[in-house]
Amino acid sequence: LAKTTQPISMDSYEGQEVNITCSHNNIATNDYITWYQQFPSQGPRFIIQGYKTKVTNEVASLFIPADRKSSTLSLPRVSLSDTAVYYCLVDIKAAGNKLTFGGGTRVLVKP
Amino acid sequence: GAVVSQHPSRVICKSGTSVKIECRSLDFQATTMFWYRQFPKKSLMLMATSNEGSKATYEQGVEKDKFLINHASLTLSTLTVTSAHPEDSSFYICSARDLRTGGEQYFGPGTRLTVT
Repeated sequence: LAKTTQPISMDSYEGQEVNITCSHNNIATNDYITWYQQFPSQGPRFIIQGYKTKVTNEVASLFIPADRKSSTLSLPRVSLSDTAVYYCLVDIKAAGNKLTFGGGTRVLVKP
Repeated sequence: GAVVSQHPSRVICKSGTSVKIECRSLDFQATTMFWYRQFPKKSLMLMATSNEGSKATYEQGVEKDKFLINHASLTLSTLTVTSAHPEDSSFYICSARDLRTGGEQYFGPGTRLTVT
């Protein structure tokens, strides 16, 4: 199982762009990179997933270099409601494949 | 995205009693569901993999006789905490994959268990 490493915490201000980088040196060929957001006392919410290069959706972008040993989640123009813990995981997306959570990054958005 | 529900959202029980938590995939079928436990300010810890029609697979250190898992249908898995103790108080979260939409894993809203 590929282990992920990400910063423990980050502070930002409203309106700024937040970039969280995750390293996954042992990522395997069939692994996808997935990011989840979790608010206190709620289950994790899927944000974005990618395999290589760049993926963008309505809430975030995910940048993955060619070697895929790291990835960066980009949250554009954050608001106070983006204060949460963000988890980076690698995932094979098979039915029985389990996800192993690392420590996550606690993002605090200040006014 | 796909919806996974849990019931109850919070429960308080007395020490020594048993509590059942339900996890349902509302708009898709899931042959496999997962159960996690999360303590305050900690990450999610996988407890077990629930397999429809067969026995659950437990992670190392998780007592299978204490945390009973039943996955009787493709949309329902239950976790029963037997003979609960205060140290079992935690946030329990289930998840399942929606293979129709690419295999992303979706999580339930969680169940807060407090054992007094």
